[in-house]
Amino acid sequence: AQSVAQPEDQVNVAEGNPLTVKCTYSVSGNPYLFWYVQYPNRGLQFLLKYITGDNLVKGSYGFEAEFNKSQTSFHLKKPSALVSDSALYFCAVRDGSSNTGKLIFGQGTTLQVKP
Amino acid sequence: NAGVTQTPKFQVLKTGQSMTLQCAQDMNHEYMSWYRQDPGMGLRLIHYSVGAGITDQGEVPNGYNVSRSTTEDFPLRLLSAAPSQTSVYFCASSYRGGGGVGGELFFGEGSRLTVL
Repeated sequence: AQSVAQPEDQVNVAEGNPLTVKCTYSVSGNPYLFWYVQYPNRGLQFLLKYITGDNLVKGSYGFEAEFNKSQTSFHLKKPSALVSDSALYFCAVRDGSSNTGKLIFGQGTTLQVKP
Repeated sequence: NAGVTQTPKFQVLKTGQSMTLQCAQDMNHEYMSWYRQDPGMGLRLIHYSVGAGITDQGEVPNGYNVSRSTTEDFPLRLLSAAPSQTSVYFCASSYRGGGGVGGELFFGEGSRLTVL
């Protein structure tokens, strides 16, 4: 069975500082990993994904994530945070060996960027 | 191109009532799914479908029913609403499976359901 853990309910950073939102996963087959962002009262928006290839994945709005197979992690990063990055962030995993497309989400991490 | 459209956006039900949340997508996606979002619980998968006529259960299927008669539509039915089903519901679609093509979910704007 697939599972995702986001160990921090909330991450606080100052504007201009680097940010990291942590994610670890468990899947029996090949991991396909995703990050989504949710702004208040909106649906989720896709940020980036790892399917195969380079372990460092670049996505929307300057975000990037690093896939680490040995640590089963896929942490989201940004070199310089903006106040507008404040939102709820979700990590998700799909078993790439399966044909179902089923995507399982973590519980979410609230990112608060202060001016 | 409207993407994923959910209706209604808001609904209040009494315990025991039934209703259907509608979901339609115009991207010809094979895969469609329903999630519920509750504070501190993240998004939990209710049911999903890999194509017309094929559905399967997710993590929290009890109390919900789905069908997929067309590629475009994937309605979620609550047969006898309970207060525990008070939540925000999201429909999402994607190209099926993984590989290097597609795979990411496109979400609707959500349906906020309150069961009294």
